[in-house]
Amino acid sequence: AQTVTQSQPEMSVQEAETVTLSCTYDTSESDYYLFWYKQPPSRQMILVIRQEAYKQQNATENRFSVNFQKAAKSFSLKISDSQLGDAAMYFCAYVLNTGFQKLVFGTGTRLLVSP
Amino acid sequence: DSGVTQTPKHLITATGQRVTLRCSPRSGDLSVYWYQQSLDQGLQFLIQYYNGEERAKGNILERFSAQQFPDLHSELNLSSLELGDSALYFCASSVDLGITAVDTQYFGPGTRLTVL
Repeated sequence: AQTVTQSQPEMSVQEAETVTLSCTYDTSESDYYLFWYKQPPSRQMILVIRQEAYKQQNATENRFSVNFQKAAKSFSLKISDSQLGDAAMYFCAYVLNTGFQKLVFGTGTRLLVSP
Repeated sequence: DSGVTQTPKHLITATGQRVTLRCSPRSGDLSVYWYQQSLDQGLQFLIQYYNGEERAKGNILERFSAQQFPDLHSELNLSSLELGDSALYFCASSVDLGITAVDTQYFGPGTRLTVL
């Protein structure tokens, strides 16, 4: 079965500090794309970052970066200089490049940010 | 704001009833996806439409159906509702460049369905 595992149900960080959220996935396919989505209390799903599996270089978006380890099937999200607005549920997900683009999501990690 | 709109925002109904959720994709996006987010099942893919045609099906119940219209908006119909259908239903859209690429899916704000 194709699965995504987020082993940390909840993480805490202080403002201005750095936090890393973990994600592992399981697929036998080699061509896929990975995503982190953020879901704040408003419940809107917001794209944080995207990584193509064929790219060795880790994706970055401002304060957000990933550590993509293809062999280990690991895709962690690092948030630098954490801000109060970063408090949310974070979901890791992937899509296989098969033409049927369904996102497979993990169970999420709740990030708490304290002043 | 992702550019994807969903109506209504909230829906409260009774068991056995039928409801329709509506989604308008971002301008230019051809694919629409429906997802269900519930406490016990997490985020689950239901169905994808591409330019009016069904492209992929996930864990969608037979009581549920969807369609995509010529103007590319989509509707998700839920019938014979049960308590367990209470969830947040998301619509997402993507431009869908072709079968050799994966496009980012942008999500709407969701419709919260409560079945009493």
